[in-house]
Amino acid sequence: ETGVTQTPRHLVMGMTNKKSLKCEQHLGHNAMYWYKQSAKKPLELMFVYNFKEQTENNSVPSRFSPECPNSSHLFLHLHTLQPEDSALYLCASSQSGGGDTQYFGPGTRLTVL
Amino acid sequence: AQTVTQSQPEMSVQEAETVTLSCTYDTSESNYYLFWYKQPPSRQMILVIRQEAYKQQNATENRFSVNFQKAAKSFSLKISDSQLGDTAMYFCASWGSGGSNYKLTFGKGTLLTVNP
Repeated sequence: ETGVTQTPRHLVMGMTNKKSLKCEQHLGHNAMYWYKQSAKKPLELMFVYNFKEQTENNSVPSRFSPECPNSSHLFLHLHTLQPEDSALYLCASSQSGGGDTQYFGPGTRLTVL
Repeated sequence: AQTVTQSQPEMSVQEAETVTLSCTYDTSESNYYLFWYKQPPSRQMILVIRQEAYKQQNATENRFSVNFQKAAKSFSLKISDSQLGDTAMYFCASWGSGGSNYKLTFGKGTLLTVNP
């Protein structure tokens, strides 16, 4: 595997389910990000981790819970989601948390019923 | 706070022709970075070009070049000799202070279609 990978690629869940999204980067980077991409809206930054420490929580509802066990892996735990949370969730990584280029994964298409 | 504006929701161009995508941004930072990303249909977002604001020279990457006008806060992307594979959503982004922390702020995107 190269670059940034995300699993699953598609996820359908009910509002009472609990699920997790996984991201893995094979680039040796130190910063990882979660973004939400909805139709007709700019990408929204959700969380930033730098050297495994969370450095940004962009006012994200508590039903989204990130976890970064090491610099290569990032999870987004989901519970009690709402239909408006349906979107493409993108993971990205960069060498540092500065203005370095961010490399994106293919995303997880989430549908909340 | 940063803002990035892409005023063209959709554009189309004939294969082999040249097209320019517009982007304006607003930032109070003196040092920042600007990016163009490309997201083909159902495929991964990839970097097209990166510009460091303190560099006056416009960045280029093969058929892709930018026109960086710092005073006007404008950062347009020119695609020369357009190819069918250039069909994609193009996002302009600015990295700088978004309030309390530095982050990458994206525009809404321009959907470019290259016609044969």
